[in-house]
Amino acid sequence: ILNVEQSPQSLHVQEGDSTNFTCSFPSSNFYALHWYRWETAKSPEALFVMTLNGDEKKKGRISATLNTKEGYSYLYIKGSQPEDSATYLCATLHNTNAGKSTFGDGTTLTVKP
Amino acid sequence: DAGITQSPRHKVTETGTPVTLRCHQTENHRYMYWYRQDPGHGLRLIHYSYGVKDTDKGEVSDGYSVSRSKTEDFLLTLESATSSQTSVYFCAISESSLIRRGGYTFGSGTRLTVV
Repeated sequence: ILNVEQSPQSLHVQEGDSTNFTCSFPSSNFYALHWYRWETAKSPEALFVMTLNGDEKKKGRISATLNTKEGYSYLYIKGSQPEDSATYLCATLHNTNAGKSTFGDGTTLTVKP
Repeated sequence: DAGITQSPRHKVTETGTPVTLRCHQTENHRYMYWYRQDPGHGLRLIHYSYGVKDTDKGEVSDGYSVSRSKTEDFLLTLESATSSQTSVYFCAISESSLIRRGGYTFGSGTRLTVV
């Protein structure tokens, strides 16, 4: 079983603050990483898919980077808004795991107005 | 939810009874997955399917079985429900490569309570 770790477990910020959190994963046999956004009472929705070392993806105020050599990805949110409040999941695919994603436990972000 | 539905949405059942959860998709995706979500554990894979009649176990498969007789339906069965199986169950689908479509598409979840 692959170990995908996310930190911090939870985060409380004020509206307008910028924030970031981390996903760590085994670097060997890495294939791809996905970030998902999961709002309360809804289903997880994919934000980004990242495959190459040095990849950077951006969607509005949210961006992500990937370092496959050291096995981590950062998710950044610039100028957090209350609607950004959600749990952010990362999931990795490895060549040894035949198309099955391994999920981290998520970082729960709460943005206070 | 992008052509994937789970039923029922909520269920309360008694310990020892069999329970079947259904995942139905209209996307004609090859891969289907069942995850459970528990506090402190994120999403854990129970079983998955890579085609009709082709299934395999995930990391928490004990006490669960699955069947896929048609592309569109993936059933999860708890043969004899236990309280430890109280959880929220999510079905997910994907095409042959998660890269092309950017990951899984999830159903809305089934909240199962075993009393």
